[in-house]
Amino acid sequence: AQKVTQAQTEISVVEKEDVTLDCVYETRDTTYYLFWYKQPPSGELVFLIRRNSFDEQNEISGRYSWNFQKSTSSFNFTITASQVVDSAVYFCALRSYNTDKLIFGTGTRLQVFP
Amino acid sequence: GAGVSQTPSNKVTEKGKYVELRCDPISGHTALYWYRQSLGQGPEFLIYFQGTGAADDSGLPNDRFFAVRPEGSVSTLKIQRTERGDSAVYLCASSSIPRGFESSEQFFGPGTRLTVL
Repeated sequence: AQKVTQAQTEISVVEKEDVTLDCVYETRDTTYYLFWYKQPPSGELVFLIRRNSFDEQNEISGRYSWNFQKSTSSFNFTITASQVVDSAVYFCALRSYNTDKLIFGTGTRLQVFP
Repeated sequence: GAGVSQTPSNKVTEKGKYVELRCDPISGHTALYWYRQSLGQGPEFLIYFQGTGAADDSGLPNDRFFAVRPEGSVSTLKIQRTERGDSAVYLCASSSIPRGFESSEQFFGPGTRLTVL
């Protein structure tokens, strides 16, 4: 069975702090894809990143970085120098190579206070 | 360009009624997905269309739920004999490359908030 676990329900930080959102996944597939989406208060899911299972290189995009480790089935997301605009619910998702549906975690609500 | 649009943004109905939710995908996107998001949860897959046909409807909870995409563009999610447990935000997404070695991301619409009284 495929499953995504985001153990952190809610995280609160003060602006400029670094914060890491954890994501652990389960799958029997050797080829799969991992995603992070942001859901701001407006409700619309915004795509952040896609990662293929065969590419374990970490990625950095501005203040965002992602750490993919197959050995621990984790795909963690770090925001450096957080800002109030980063406040949102963040979802990690998994997609098998032979299906098209995304399996989402329950999300982590991030609150960044000024 | 225009993103995925969904109408209505909010729908309040009474238990037992029939509702239709509409999704207009990004122009040219061949794949269309419906998800349901309950309060405090992540989106749950309902159904996926490739063109006009439903390629995977394994997420539809029961036969009260049905979706169509007759011309391969706009899709309608139909719920018969609504129940209070159907209350949720219904999200639609579309993508340009539905399957393949390189998975394309799904672009989501703003959702329709359905409330069944």
